[in-house]
Amino acid sequence: DGGITQSPKYLFRKEGQNVTLSCEQNLNHDAMYWYRQDPGQGLRLIYYSQIVNDFQKGDIAEGYSVSREKKESFPLTVTSAQKNPTAFYLCASKDSFGEAFFGQGTRLTVV
Amino acid sequence: GQNIDQPTEMTATEGAIVQINCTYQTSGFNGLFWYQQHAGEAPTFLSYNVLDGLEEKGRFSSFLSRSKGYSYLLLKELQMKDSASYLCAVVENTGFQKLVFGTGTRLLVSP
Repeated sequence: DGGITQSPKYLFRKEGQNVTLSCEQNLNHDAMYWYRQDPGQGLRLIYYSQIVNDFQKGDIAEGYSVSREKKESFPLTVTSAQKNPTAFYLCASKDSFGEAFFGQGTRLTVV
Repeated sequence: GQNIDQPTEMTATEGAIVQINCTYQTSGFNGLFWYQQHAGEAPTFLSYNVLDGLEEKGRFSSFLSRSKGYSYLLLKELQMKDSASYLCAVVENTGFQKLVFGTGTRLLVSP
């Protein structure tokens, strides 16, 4: 079945550690996105990518990094520079003219 | 840049009709989405408008006026399960397909 998969669903991180969230899609979409959602809030754009080996900063990119080595994959690294990383992270992919499809999200908690 | 505004919260009664408004200011407009999101879950697609006018899909309709930077989502025959957040998102095309969300409108449907 075609879709977009995020893993893991829940992730715990110690302060000062980097952690990488996985996002894979088999929809053959060019564009991929990472969002952060805090409780009771909307989705804020972290990074997005239109093509392989290229990506752009969103509105809250500080403390995060991404790569796009393959069309199917767009992993997000939450670095130790992100001061308040506890949040719900959502990945999405989209083709040029259609809707954006979302993964099920990763809930990151700093312990 | 972009600015997307929605009411924070709305309440309505089961069986009624509710209209959720979204206003936006953006450059390179390339379409507007409405998504539904239940607490703790990923957003699910409701509608996509790229041209002016009304798009109807069952109990849900969405309207767009590009000249006014305005959209609304109309929900008819409200059901308890419609209690959720409704997210307005704009595709900003500045060479890249930047998908930006508003803060969302929390809808509470009461008996």
